[in-house]
Amino acid sequence: GENVEQHPSTLSVQEGDSAVIKCTYSDSASNYFPWYKQELGKGPQLIIDIRSNVGEKKDQRIAVTLNKTAKHFSLHITETQPEDSAVYFCAASPRGSTLGRLYFGRGTQLTVWP
Amino acid sequence: ETGVTQTPRHLVMGMTNKKSLKCEQHLGHNAMYWYKQSAKKPLELMFVYSLEERVENNSVPSRFSPECPNSSHLFLHLHTLQPEDSALYLCASSQGVAGFQETQYFGPGTRLLVL
Repeated sequence: GENVEQHPSTLSVQEGDSAVIKCTYSDSASNYFPWYKQELGKGPQLIIDIRSNVGEKKDQRIAVTLNKTAKHFSLHITETQPEDSAVYFCAASPRGSTLGRLYFGRGTQLTVWP
Repeated sequence: ETGVTQTPRHLVMGMTNKKSLKCEQHLGHNAMYWYKQSAKKPLELMFVYSLEERVENNSVPSRFSPECPNSSHLFLHLHTLQPEDSALYLCASSQGVAGFQETQYFGPGTRLLVL
């Protein structure tokens, strides 16, 4: 099955700086890549996603890039704020999987210091 | 919130107890999922239901027994658990359109501790 690797496992940045989280995947059939944010005491929430027919997608301070050839995708957060502190998960979903089954990375604990 | 609720939020049980986790979604979705979240590990998909039928069971021990009486409710029945089963159990739902990769909406989870 699909294997998703995520780095780094922890990331600390100063407020206002940028943060980048990187993921790689193994299955070339994967064509959907969501990113989830999990705050303390809550379940993961989708923050942005990208499909394999697109190389980059932006939503305000958040952007995701996809390199299908290299099988990696990244989350970029600009102008970080303390409320961005959370655990971020990347995921990949192979084409044809049951109900779009997601394979998750291990997560990145992002801490933004004021 | 997300439209997916889970009860209880915290549960402590002994290895000989029987308990149930409940999930309810208010989004009109047709697919529901159980995940196990352990520290430093990826989310592990346990079960998937579509229109109340189980469509995926990922080699989960029989001490975990799911039940989906209708498309809005999902249960996870627990019996004779082991300490290594202690984790956060997350429920999620999605629209359930076959062959389409969709957003999954997660509940807040049940934090389970097995003593």
